[in-house]
Amino acid sequence: EAGVVQSPRYKIIEKKQPVAFWCNPISGHNTLYWYLQNLGQGPELLIRYENEEAVDDSQLPKDRFSAERLKGVDSTLKIQPAELGDSAVYLCASSLGAETEAFFGQGTRLTVV
Amino acid sequence: QKEVEQNSGPLSVPEGAIASLNCTYSDRVSQSFFWYRQYSGKSPELIMSIYSNGDKEDGRFTAQLNKASQYVSLLIRDSQPSDSATYLCAVSYNNNDMRFGAGTRLTVKP
Repeated sequence: EAGVVQSPRYKIIEKKQPVAFWCNPISGHNTLYWYLQNLGQGPELLIRYENEEAVDDSQLPKDRFSAERLKGVDSTLKIQPAELGDSAVYLCASSLGAETEAFFGQGTRLTVV
Repeated sequence: QKEVEQNSGPLSVPEGAIASLNCTYSDRVSQSFFWYRQYSGKSPELIMSIYSNGDKEDGRFTAQLNKASQYVSLLIRDSQPSDSATYLCAVSYNNNDMRFGAGTRLTVKP
C-alpha cells in the first residue's frame, strides 16, 4: 500500500514569491492534516480536513496561506507571498478518521531567501 | 490552550539499557495517544498508539497511559544505537485535533 506522497521534496524561493505544496493521502483516508515543523520543534497543526471540509484551520495564517482539498482526496497548500519566516518543513499526514493513527508523508522542506 | 509537554532532553542511555520517555497533556477529555519516532531529516514515523489506561507492549516498546494524571510514557527496552532519534508524543483531543509535543531527543551510546 502506498504511503502519503508529498511533492516537491525541496523548494527554494525568493521572498514575496508564491509557492504550493501537494499531498496525496493514503487511499481511503478521510482525514488529512497539514503541519509545519521548525527545527527542534514538534509539528504544529495548520489545517485539518475531514473529506473535503476544512474542520480546523484556526492555526492557518489566512492572510498568506490557503489550502484546498478538492474531491476529498489530494490537497494543496499555498503560500502567497512567502516570507523569510516561512522557511520550515511542511508535513502532510492522513488517517482513516477521528482519533486514529496518522501517517506522514516525507515532507517538503521550504527555504525562503 | 491545549498543550503537550515533553522533556526536550537530550536523554542519553547506554546500549542495552531502558530508555524512559515522558509526556504530559493538558486536556482531560483527550482520547487517543501516540508515540512517533523521527530521525534527523526524516518525517515522523508511528511507533505506538494507546487508547486506554494501562500498559501496551509491542516488541521492545511499552506505552503507559494514566488519564487521571494526564500522563503518557514510552519505555524502550534493550536500547540500540538505531533507537537514537527524537521521540514525539501526540495527543488527539475530543474534537479530533491532534497536537504534538516538542519531542525528546534520545541518544543510545554503544
